[in-house]
Amino acid sequence: GNSVTQMEGPVTLSEEAFLTINCTYTATGYPSLFWYVQYPGEGLQLLLKATKADDKGSNKGFEATYRKETTSFHLEKGSVQVSDSAVYFCALSRFGNEKLTFGTGTRLTIIP
Amino acid sequence: DAGVIQSPRHEVTEMGQEVTLRCKPISGHNSLFWYRQTMMRGLELLIYFNNNVPIDDSGMPEDRFSAKMPNASFSTLKIQPSEPRDSAVYFCATNTDGSNEQFFGPGTRLTVL
Repeated sequence: GNSVTQMEGPVTLSEEAFLTINCTYTATGYPSLFWYVQYPGEGLQLLLKATKADDKGSNKGFEATYRKETTSFHLEKGSVQVSDSAVYFCALSRFGNEKLTFGTGTRLTIIP
Repeated sequence: DAGVIQSPRHEVTEMGQEVTLRCKPISGHNSLFWYRQTMMRGLELLIYFNNNVPIDDSGMPEDRFSAKMPNASFSTLKIQPSEPRDSAVYFCATNTDGSNEQFFGPGTRLTVL
């Protein structure tokens, strides 16, 4: 079956540090890959996505590249801000209305 | 569009009581997903509907849980009787055919005493 493995948290960084949160997946076929973000007290929001190999999703300074050869979709940001503190979820879905398979989430805390 | 609407936002109840959580999907979205989030188990899919029909309810923990989608603009998740271990945040999410991006509601925080 489908599965997503992401970096264990929590992760604590200083403001302006470089961020990487690792995500690898197992799935048949060619899934779409997602990063969702959950700010304190809120629901999940889509941060970025990629639908085919070598696609790069980007939003709010975050990037992730769909690497089929390594079955990975690592999240990166060059310079984090305090406002980036949240829980980040990697997820996949193979087609339109199939359920999302989520990773366990990584809690990120940025300190000034 | 107002996004996915969930009510209530917070619910505190006593063990044994019936709890009903409600979700209004984004207009035009024909798939609806109910999730539960806890510290111990993370985010779990409970059930999802497509065109008001339940497609996969394998995540429903036990018979005390039931979900309905009587029409395209409303769904309920009911727990009867509720137990303290049901305390969690329950999210509803929706999307359209052909798009695998899901839009989440703000969640209902349920506390069962």
